[in-house]
Amino acid sequence: DQQVKQNSPSLSVQEGRISILNCDYTNSMFDYFLWYKKYPAEGPTFLISISSIKDKNEDGRFTVFLNKSAKHLSLHIVPSQPGDSAVYFCAARGGGSNYKLTFGKGTLLTVNP
Amino acid sequence: GAGVSQSPRYKVAKRGQDVALRCDPISGHVSLFWYQQALGQGPEFLTYFQNEAQLDKSGLPSDRFFAERPEGSVSTLKIQRTQQEDSAVYLCASSSRLAGAQETQYFGPGTRLLVL
Repeated sequence: DQQVKQNSPSLSVQEGRISILNCDYTNSMFDYFLWYKKYPAEGPTFLISISSIKDKNEDGRFTVFLNKSAKHLSLHIVPSQPGDSAVYFCAARGGGSNYKLTFGKGTLLTVNP
Repeated sequence: GAGVSQSPRYKVAKRGQDVALRCDPISGHVSLFWYQQALGQGPEFLTYFQNEAQLDKSGLPSDRFFAERPEGSVSTLKIQRTQQEDSAVYLCASSSRLAGAQETQYFGPGTRLLVL
C-alpha cells in the first residue's frame, strides 16, 4: 500500500514556463512534507519543505502548496530552467514516526530549451 | 568533507557473497539513516541511528541485513549471502540533530549494488 503517490512518471515543459509536480498521500498523520531533486548517479538533494500547519512555502523559484483536506501537495517551479531537469521525489514524515521518510516513486521533469 | 560520502559507489557481487557498504555522514551529525532504492521506485527506509544507538531497524528486509555505527560517526551496512533481489541503490542520509520535526535529512550519492 503506497502512502505517498506521484502519479505522473514524467513531465515535459518549455524553458521559462511553469512546472507543476503533484503528490498525493493517504496517511492523515503525516505532518511534514519535503521535495527532493535527484540527478543521475547522485543522491537526492533537499529542495523545499512544508509543515502541515502551513498551506504554502516559497523559496525563490520554488513554491510548495499543501491542501490537507485533499491530502495533496504540489511543487511549482517558475520559471523552469534546463538545469531543473531531474527526478523529483515527494516525501512525507509523521504517521507514528518523527524521522522515517516515506517517498513517492518520483517524477522525471524535462525542461526543454 | 562537505557532504555525506559513501563507498564503494558501485559493487558487483555474486549471489551468496557478503558485502559491506560504508557511509561517512556530515561531521557532527547525530542522526544517520539507511534507505534502499529499487529501480523505478522511491527510497525506502531501512534503519535509523542516533549516535551509536540503532533505534529503529524495522525496515531491514531480512536478518541477512545488518547495520552498525560503533563510534557514532561512520556506519556500515552489511548484507550477508546476497540474493538477486538485493540489487538496488543503497542511500545513506544524516541530519544534524536528534531526528524530529522539520529536521532535514541530507543524502549521500548512494552505492549501486548489483547481485549476479
